[in-house]
Amino acid sequence: GQSLEQPSEVTAVEGAIVQINCTYQTSGFYGLSWYQQHDGGAPTFLSYNGLDGLEETGRFSSFLSRSDSYGYLLLQELQMKDSASYFCAVRGTTSGTYKYIFGTGTRLKVLA
Amino acid sequence: EAGVTQFPSHSVIEKGQTVTLRCDPISGHDNLYWYRRVMGKEIKFLLHFVKESKQDESGMPNNRFLAERTGGTYSTLKVQPAELEDSGVYFCASSQGLAGVGASEQYFGPGTRLTVT
Repeated sequence: GQSLEQPSEVTAVEGAIVQINCTYQTSGFYGLSWYQQHDGGAPTFLSYNGLDGLEETGRFSSFLSRSDSYGYLLLQELQMKDSASYFCAVRGTTSGTYKYIFGTGTRLKVLA
Repeated sequence: EAGVTQFPSHSVIEKGQTVTLRCDPISGHDNLYWYRRVMGKEIKFLLHFVKESKQDESGMPNNRFLAERTGGTYSTLKVQPAELEDSGVYFCASSQGLAGVGASEQYFGPGTRLTVT
């Protein structure tokens, strides 16, 4: 089957660094993406890793290891506005078509 | 550039009734996806259109759900008859292309919160 696992909740203080892990099991692999969703809002794209290694976008970085079927999202210099749910998503294939599988989301609480 | 829009934002219906959700993707995006999120659970894939064709509808729960994308522009998702377990937030997303980073960056709409009582 296809599945993604990520922690359900993470808590950190303002200014800290937090890492949200994601392990996946999919048929076919065409990249790992991260999305942020504030309560009541739409998921918004944060980053994409198609190859192994680290991708950096401002305070956010994302890492992928395809051999370990593992990735993480790193948030630095946490701000209160970073409190949200973070989803990892894998683009895989099923019967020759692309499909996006999302994790259950990690709720990040940033404390003052 | 206008984003993905969805209508209605909220819908409360009784079990057995019919509801139709609408999604307008970003202009020029051939790929359109429907997802559903039940509270506390994953964003679950329902189906994928490429232009007006259903590329993958393996996530559709059952034949009470019918999606269309006439003319390859907006899409509708009809639930008939609705059941209690259909409650959740239905998201639509669109993207360009089918390869590379552009395809992995999906633009989501604000969702339609469906409550079946």
